[in-house]
Amino acid sequence: GQNIDQPTEMTATEGAIVQINCTYQTSGFNGLFWYQQHAGEAPTFLSYNVLDGLEEKGRFSSFLSRSKGYSYLLLKELQMKDSASYLCAVTDSNYQLIWGAGTKLIIKP
Amino acid sequence: GAVVSQHPSRVICKSGTSVKIECRSLDFQATTMFWYRQFPKQSLMLMATSNEGSKATYEQGVEKDKFLINHASLTLSTLTVTSAHPEDSSFYICSARLPDRGSVEQFFGPGTRLTVL
Repeated sequence: GQNIDQPTEMTATEGAIVQINCTYQTSGFNGLFWYQQHAGEAPTFLSYNVLDGLEEKGRFSSFLSRSKGYSYLLLKELQMKDSASYLCAVTDSNYQLIWGAGTKLIIKP
Repeated sequence: GAVVSQHPSRVICKSGTSVKIECRSLDFQATTMFWYRQFPKQSLMLMATSNEGSKATYEQGVEKDKFLINHASLTLSTLTVTSAHPEDSSFYICSARLPDRGSVEQFFGPGTRLTVL
């Protein structure tokens, strides 16, 4: 079956750095997404990786290793507004998005 | 660009009534739209894939007669929850993909909070 694993919850301190990991096992691979979702709102796009390596976009970076079925989202200089759920999703061979359960990130002052 | 809207944003209805949710792509034509449901503290669950001009493809376990999907135009898909019951209370989110062949990103609507009394 298809499976995406990410930690349920993480806590970090304002101004610090946090890394959210995601491992996946899917039938085919056509890219991996990270989305941010605040409570009661729809997900918003953060990043897309289809090739191995690190993609940096401001305070957020996303890494992919296809051979290991692994990705991480790195958030630097954490701000209180970064408190949200972070969803990892993989596009499979049918271009269907397979979603992880999300990681709830709690930022403390 | 790539904005998706949903209407209504919030709806409360009595058990047994039907509710229609609209999903519109505002600045692009979406041949494919997706309908998700999300229960509290859970991830998104794909309900169905809506293709313009053809029948929707439903995920396993989703009743197609209960969740009617119509994708009559390239910018509008509707989800009708028929004979809604309290267990149908959830956050319903639609998304759309650009019509480009290589496009994989989904753009999400703001979601509709359905509460069935």
